[in-house]
Amino acid sequence: ETGVTQSPTHLIKTRGQQVTLRCSSQSGHNTVSWYQQALGQGPQFIFQYYREEENGRGNFPPRFSGLQFPNYSSELNVNALELDDSALYLCASSDGLAGVNEQFFGPGTRLTVL
Amino acid sequence: KNQVEQSPQSLIILEGKNCTLQCNYTVSPFSNLRWYKQDTGRGPVSLTIMTFSENTKSNGRYTATLDADTKQSSLHITASQLSDSASYICVVSHRDDKIIFGKGTRLHILP
Repeated sequence: ETGVTQSPTHLIKTRGQQVTLRCSSQSGHNTVSWYQQALGQGPQFIFQYYREEENGRGNFPPRFSGLQFPNYSSELNVNALELDDSALYLCASSDGLAGVNEQFFGPGTRLTVL
Repeated sequence: KNQVEQSPQSLIILEGKNCTLQCNYTVSPFSNLRWYKQDTGRGPVSLTIMTFSENTKSNGRYTATLDADTKQSSLHITASQLSDSASYICVVSHRDDKIIFGKGTRLHILP
């Protein structure tokens, strides 16, 4: 176990709805990164939060937004859900920026959009 | 364009056999290369991390190699076990902190 937790584990939504996914980082880690992983594909970087500020964003539209709280836990919000948003959403925490520090992944949230 | 390509896409071997997975990348400038193991429906777990100056790193039965000149890495698994059945993902970090994931190799170990 990595110490990174995510909730909920599974979620079913309908097109057009909004969803909030949550991530608790490993103790002592100040950076959380979010990834979208479609079935059979590698994870795609959504964005990274370092000390409560967004620090880097992948090729995702603005309806994907996030927050990081003072305890370094994080939320991923997705508005106006589309069918293609169905995926495993992973968060990873690290002690410092993810590119140069080891990342520890949570178990993921499986989102299904109908 | 910064890309990470893995081969083969999938691999089936018998328990106890060895195998080697390949990763080619075009990421530049390079910061580090990581191999992860991902069980179905779970988050990836780190196996090895190598920087530019390292050309081999082991973690138990897993040995990763890196040739920064040819931009190639391999992950060798020795004496495979049924629990090695998983996806193995190669991840390359760009020096400006971008992280690029490969699509993974799906490994199936048969008894």
